[in-house]
Amino acid sequence: AQSVTQPDIHITVSEGASLELRCNYSYGATPYLFWYVQSPGQGLQLLLKYFSGDTLVQGIKGFEAEFKRSQSSFNLRKPSVHWSDAAEYFCAVGSNQAGTALIFGKGTTLSVSS
Amino acid sequence: GAGVSQSPSNKVTEKGKDVELRCDPISGHTALYWYRQSLGQGLEFLIYFQGNSAPDKSGLPSDRFSAERTGGSVSTLTIQRTQQEDSAVYLCASSPTGVPPLHFGNGTRLTVT
Repeated sequence: AQSVTQPDIHITVSEGASLELRCNYSYGATPYLFWYVQSPGQGLQLLLKYFSGDTLVQGIKGFEAEFKRSQSSFNLRKPSVHWSDAAEYFCAVGSNQAGTALIFGKGTTLSVSS
Repeated sequence: GAGVSQSPSNKVTEKGKDVELRCDPISGHTALYWYRQSLGQGLEFLIYFQGNSAPDKSGLPSDRFSAERTGGSVSTLTIQRTQQEDSAVYLCASSPTGVPPLHFGNGTRLTVT
């Protein structure tokens, strides 16, 4: 079955500390992988994507993610968290076939403490 | 440029009533998706439109749900005889060709009382 698992429902990080959000996927085809962020009352904003090539991808707002095929993982990282990073983060997997729906994880809520 | 626009942003309706949710995709995007986001859940795919092709309705949860896309642009998601379990945020997304990534609107929060 195709699925995305985000093991952590809620994470709290101190401002300035590093962050890692975990994502594992199960997908039958070559995966296209995405991280989106959702602030309260807002839609989803794309942080970064991985299609192929370099397994470490850089995104907006200082985020990066690393694709590890052997572990079926695509973890999101940030070296130093800012209070404005508090939001819900979604990992998603899809393919390069038009019309293939993205499969989303259930999300990880990030709280930032001062 | 303008992003994906959804209206209304909030909708409260009584159980049993019909509702229509509107999505205006990014200009030039041929692909349009509807997703549902329920409390504590991820995003659930509902339906996909690509150009003038027949839509992929495989994600619609029941025959009370339907959607149309007029002129390859604006889309309307209709829920008939709403139930309390239909309460959720309905998100619309578009992409230039149907290949990800998707660009999302801010959603319509539907509350069925």
